[in-house]
Amino acid sequence: AQSVTQLGSHVSVSEGALVLLRCNYSSSVPPYLFWYVQYPNQGLQLLLKYTTGATLVKGINGFEAEFKKSETSFHLTKPSAHMSDAAEYFCAVSRGTNAGGTSYGKLTFGQGTILTVHP
Amino acid sequence: NAGVTQTPKFQVLKTGQSMTLQCAQDMNHNSMYWYRQDPGMGLRLIYYSASEGTTDKGEVPNGYNVSRLNKREFSLRLESAAPSQTSVYFCASNRDITYEQYFGPGTRLTVT
Repeated sequence: AQSVTQLGSHVSVSEGALVLLRCNYSSSVPPYLFWYVQYPNQGLQLLLKYTTGATLVKGINGFEAEFKKSETSFHLTKPSAHMSDAAEYFCAVSRGTNAGGTSYGKLTFGQGTILTVHP
Repeated sequence: NAGVTQTPKFQVLKTGQSMTLQCAQDMNHNSMYWYRQDPGMGLRLIYYSASEGTTDKGEVPNGYNVSRLNKREFSLRLESAAPSQTSVYFCASNRDITYEQYFGPGTRLTVT
């Protein structure tokens, strides 16, 4: 079984400040980790992902995240917030197989963090 | 490429009515998913289809049925709608486990 916990349902920052959105996961096997962003009344869009290799991954719009196995964390950061970053962010973990042993990308999502950016 | 498309965008049902939400993808993906999104609960998996011809229950399957019509299309049916099924429904697809899921724009369903 796998689960995701996002610390803080709401995060508020000033424009130009550091953005830090926290995500911790539990997984019985090495996880694949994702951050998605959802703008109002839209679907989810991938920001970045970690599958294997380098533990610091860079995504779109200046976001990055670091996979820390020892801390079971995958926190999302951006050095300088922009007003356009205001949205809801979801961390997700994926790793599973069906009864036939075929891998598939079944995602388990965190509860989401709403990021507010004020001038 | 249109990506993942969903119809309808909005729907209002009365309790007990039935309806089918349609989803199609044009990316030749093997796996497709249906999620519901409720405030403070993230997205929860209703059903998924790992490949054409197979479907499996997710976290919250009660009250729903699905059909993987072909590789492109994956529909979600509510046989007898209940107010607890008021939600935003998202369809998604991906090639396999190492690839990200692509999401449709969602269907906002209200059951009165």
